[in-house]
Amino acid sequence: QKEVEQNSGPLSVPEGAIASLNCTYSDRGSQSFFWYRQYSGKSPELIMSIYSNGDKEDGRFTAQLNKASQYVSLLIRDSQPSDSATYLCAVKRSGGSYIPTFGRGTSLIVHP
Amino acid sequence: KAGVTQTPRYLIKTRGQQVTLSCSPISGHRSVSWYQQTPGQGLQFLFEYFSETQRNKGNFPGRFSGRQFSNSRSEMNVSTLELGDSALYLCASSLDRSEKLFFGSGTQLSVL
Repeated sequence: QKEVEQNSGPLSVPEGAIASLNCTYSDRGSQSFFWYRQYSGKSPELIMSIYSNGDKEDGRFTAQLNKASQYVSLLIRDSQPSDSATYLCAVKRSGGSYIPTFGRGTSLIVHP
Repeated sequence: KAGVTQTPRYLIKTRGQQVTLSCSPISGHRSVSWYQQTPGQGLQFLFEYFSETQRNKGNFPGRFSGRQFSNSRSEMNVSTLELGDSALYLCASSLDRSEKLFFGSGTQLSVL
């Protein structure tokens, strides 16, 4: 059973702080890693993808990948109340015939 | 470019009935995937279609079925509805072998 684990939260951080969201996965064949943001009542939206070990930055978001330890994380700097949402981690093997496996998501609350 | 369109947005059915949900992918996207999302189980993969062929199937009973048409539009059908089928059904499209999913707004199905 390929699994993707996330702490369900909620993770509560004050406005302006760094929010750190973590995800671990069991399938060592995983090659592609994604973070989706889902606002309440809305559909998931891709915000970050990462394929190599290390950090990848995009604006206030940084994705971190460590394949040896089988974890991927998402850092949100200068958190804003508008970042309050559920963040879904998704993991996938390479190749078009594979489908991503999603974690259950971490609820993030950024309070003013 | 129009996004992924799902219809209807809301559905209320009774046990034993059947239901058909529709999904129109982003123009040019040939892969369409279906997911069931519930608070307890998160995003669960149903099936994926590519060029009118089912390429992947999740662990759902045979009451759940789908198809894809030559214009890449897809439908999923659930027969003999059960209370546990109440969920948000999400459709996602992607380019061939692309690893980024674009989700529709979903169909909220309530089974009474």
